[in-house]
Amino acid sequence: AQTVTQSQPEMSVQEAETVTLSCTYDTSESDYYLFWYKQPPSRQMILVIRQEAYKQQNATENRFSVNFQKAAKSFSLKISDSQLGDAAMYFCAYIVYNNDMRFGAGTRLTVKP
Amino acid sequence: DVKVTQSSRYLVKRTGEKVFLECVQDMDHENMFWYRQDPGLGLRLIYFSYDVKMKEKGDIPEGYSVSREKKERFSLILESASTNQTSMYLCASSPEAGNYGYTFGSGTRLTVV
Repeated sequence: AQTVTQSQPEMSVQEAETVTLSCTYDTSESDYYLFWYKQPPSRQMILVIRQEAYKQQNATENRFSVNFQKAAKSFSLKISDSQLGDAAMYFCAYIVYNNDMRFGAGTRLTVKP
Repeated sequence: DVKVTQSSRYLVKRTGEKVFLECVQDMDHENMFWYRQDPGLGLRLIYFSYDVKMKEKGDIPEGYSVSREKKERFSLILESASTNQTSMYLCASSPEAGNYGYTFGSGTRLTVV
């Protein structure tokens, strides 16, 4: 079975500090895509960042970056200069081509002012 | 702005009722999905559809059915609602390959009493 594990149910960070959310996954495929989604209290799932597994370079989107370790099947999200608006549930997910997306259980991030 | 619209944000139904959750997308996407979101479990796939009048079971289809009569609309049906179906339901859509992620609706929080 293909699975995604987020080992941190809750995380907390001070405003302006950096936090890293962990994610590991399990697939036998070599070609797949990884995602981090943010779900604020509004419940709208927002795509934060996307990584193609065949690319070694880690994806970045402004203050958000990933550490993708393909051999270790690890895909962590780093949020730099944390802001109050970053407080949300964060879901790690992946998709193998033409299959459905698999999600982790989520990490609830609290940002302290 | 592309959208996935779920008809109800909150819904309260009685045990044994037949419940319809409606989802409409305006992006001409081929794929549509229904997920259930529960604390500590993340998003679990109920049903999905890759084409009109086509449906496939996900990981937890028991107690649910779906209908896709038009490309833009994907309905989730609870044949006889039970209290263990109290949950958040998220609809999503994607283009054919899905490799760029899914677009989600803002969810329907269903309570069965």
